[in-house]
Amino acid sequence: DTGVSQDPRHKITKRGQNVTFRCDPISEHNRLYWYRQTLGQGPEFLTYFQNEAQLEKSRLLSDRFSAERPKGSFSTLEIQRTEQGDSAMYLCASSSGGTPGGTQYFGPGTRLLVL
Amino acid sequence: SQQGEEDPQALSIQEGENATMNCSYKTSINNLQWYRQNSGRGLVHLILIRSNEREKHSGRLRVTLDTSKKSSSLLITASRAADTASYFCASVPLIQGAQKLVFGQGTRLTINP
Repeated sequence: DTGVSQDPRHKITKRGQNVTFRCDPISEHNRLYWYRQTLGQGPEFLTYFQNEAQLEKSRLLSDRFSAERPKGSFSTLEIQRTEQGDSAMYLCASSSGGTPGGTQYFGPGTRLLVL
Repeated sequence: SQQGEEDPQALSIQEGENATMNCSYKTSINNLQWYRQNSGRGLVHLILIRSNEREKHSGRLRVTLDTSKKSSSLLITASRAADTASYFCASVPLIQGAQKLVFGQGTRLTINP
């Protein structure tokens, strides 16, 4: 079990640029989640996939945000035209079926800083 | 905000003492979970308690759930310096198909040696 991995771990970008993050879940997990965490706060849900289907999106996920999970394996989260308010830690988690929400295994996160 | 509230926001105790953290949530839930986060890192799952359970134990952890008050507590007994971290409760709303976790704002726990 190699755990959930995320890449990159850190990203610094200028306002207006596009960024893409990758998440590789635990291989046998069919559910994948993205959360965003700002300093001193708890994570906030962004979106959720079951296999390749995106089943829930938070209203926090504006039109500038898009997430994909082709073939139900890894996932990408893209932010277009970044704004300073997008600066945060982006966390990915995965879980297997069963209990709603389940035990979610989190990756180390990608810390984004928009200048 | 959908987030619940945690109390206290910060807690500092001596090694060996017990630490109690409280959490309130806003909607009916399927289950409630507690996670730990070391500074700048991802979250680690500690324990899950279902809505029809009132108390659950795991090692030095004891979790209670009061659905009538929409609240939960996490007790860590015989604390150790390694327990220093932020602790978050996270609820799963009782909505058909809901899988997301709704996190509280967390309690920052410091164990002094």
